[in-house]
Amino acid sequence: NAGVTQTPKFRILKIGQSMTLQCTQDMNHNYMYWYRQDPGMGLKLIYYSVGAGITDKGEVPNGYNVSRSTTEDFPLRLELAAPSQTSVYFCASSYSGTGELFFGEGSRLTVL
Amino acid sequence: AQSVTQPDIHITVSEGASLELRCNYSYGATPYLFWYVQSPGQGLQLLLKYFSGDTLVQGIKGFEAEFKRSQSSFNLRKPSVHWSDAAEYFCADSGGGADGLTFGKGTHLIIQP
Repeated sequence: NAGVTQTPKFRILKIGQSMTLQCTQDMNHNYMYWYRQDPGMGLKLIYYSVGAGITDKGEVPNGYNVSRSTTEDFPLRLELAAPSQTSVYFCASSYSGTGELFFGEGSRLTVL
Repeated sequence: AQSVTQPDIHITVSEGASLELRCNYSYGATPYLFWYVQSPGQGLQLLLKYFSGDTLVQGIKGFEAEFKRSQSSFNLRKPSVHWSDAAEYFCADSGGGADGLTFGKGTHLIIQP
């Protein structure tokens, strides 16, 4: 049972480059989320989706984009990477919007 | 919007001693409260959750938490900690909405031998 799978686990980007963090879940959850985690700051919501074709901004969406073409996949795109985007990114899914979130193992991104 | 406060950034406890991690929430309606644990380099794992009903909830790994509306608190407890409990602990609140969880900044638990 894979749960939530994120790739890549580690990545180093140069300033101005772009990349996509992949997230897929096999639990048929409608709700999916992207968080970033910075030391001492907890987790902050970047974007979320309540179903295929529907996405919405979270607390810190600037510099990111998402899409949700299928129930399983929720990729996060970084355009024009900046050092401020150095962080650990977590994808999560949920059966219901108010319930338990299931997390992936995270993607550590460094922008130099 | 809801907010979650974890007053303690670091807590050091001796192995075998009891543990209490504090969490305060602020939201008018009935909160949907969670405690998650994160081991180094790992994702977050749910310890327990409270939606309604009995205010003392039991979770995995011997943890429990008590919801106290009068104090806006949802503190996590364990009667006897093990070295493997060393981790980062996060309290979170969904506020009943679909836009994910609001997390506290976390408490780093250190276990002394």
